[in-house]
Amino acid sequence: ILNVEQSPQSLHVQEGDSTNFTCSFPSSNFYALHWYRWETAKSPEALFVMTLNGDEKKKGRISATLNTKEGYSYLYIKGSQPEDSATYLCAFHQAGTALIFGKGTTLSVSS
Amino acid sequence: SQTIHQWPATLVQPVGSPLSLECTVEGTSNPNLYWYRQAAGRGLQLLFYSVGIGQISSEVPQNLSASRPQDRQFILSSKKLLLSDSGFYLCAWSEGSGGPKHFGDGTRLSIL
Repeated sequence: ILNVEQSPQSLHVQEGDSTNFTCSFPSSNFYALHWYRWETAKSPEALFVMTLNGDEKKKGRISATLNTKEGYSYLYIKGSQPEDSATYLCAFHQAGTALIFGKGTTLSVSS
Repeated sequence: SQTIHQWPATLVQPVGSPLSLECTVEGTSNPNLYWYRQAAGRGLQLLFYSVGIGQISSEVPQNLSASRPQDRQFILSSKKLLLSDSGFYLCAWSEGSGGPKHFGDGTRLSIL
């Protein structure tokens, strides 16, 4: 059974702190890795789609890296702001299969 | 612009009652459509996806069914709800393959 693990489950940081969290997935037959941000009372928002080993994507203060050989991706947030508070979902799939989501990392940023 | 509408936002239903959740997409044609469920303490789980009218793929055996009567309409149904059907249901769409890009606001379904 394919499984996607995200850690930590939740995280509380102060405004201005930089933070990162991890997504682990099976390294065999890798096709793509997705990151989403899900704010409370809103719908999930797609952040990144990563397909190549060594990929690094950036969107403002948020960036992500990908290691398909060892099966992990890191999401980094530089200088966290209260508006970054959300659940960050990672999802993985092999070619021809459906996305498998992790349970998410819930980030809370205090001002 | 592209938008996705999903309703209702919340629903409380007794066990054994029927269900119909509707999702419509605007601003695109021939999208891939998805129904996901998030049960308590679990990640998003794909229930159904559709690549075209009348084409539905089911990912998990369950008490639910889906239909796509029109290109941009996706309906999630059940004839008799179970307690285990409680959860948060999300409709989503994408252009082409590669996973959902845009999500609806979700439906919180509580079964009593």
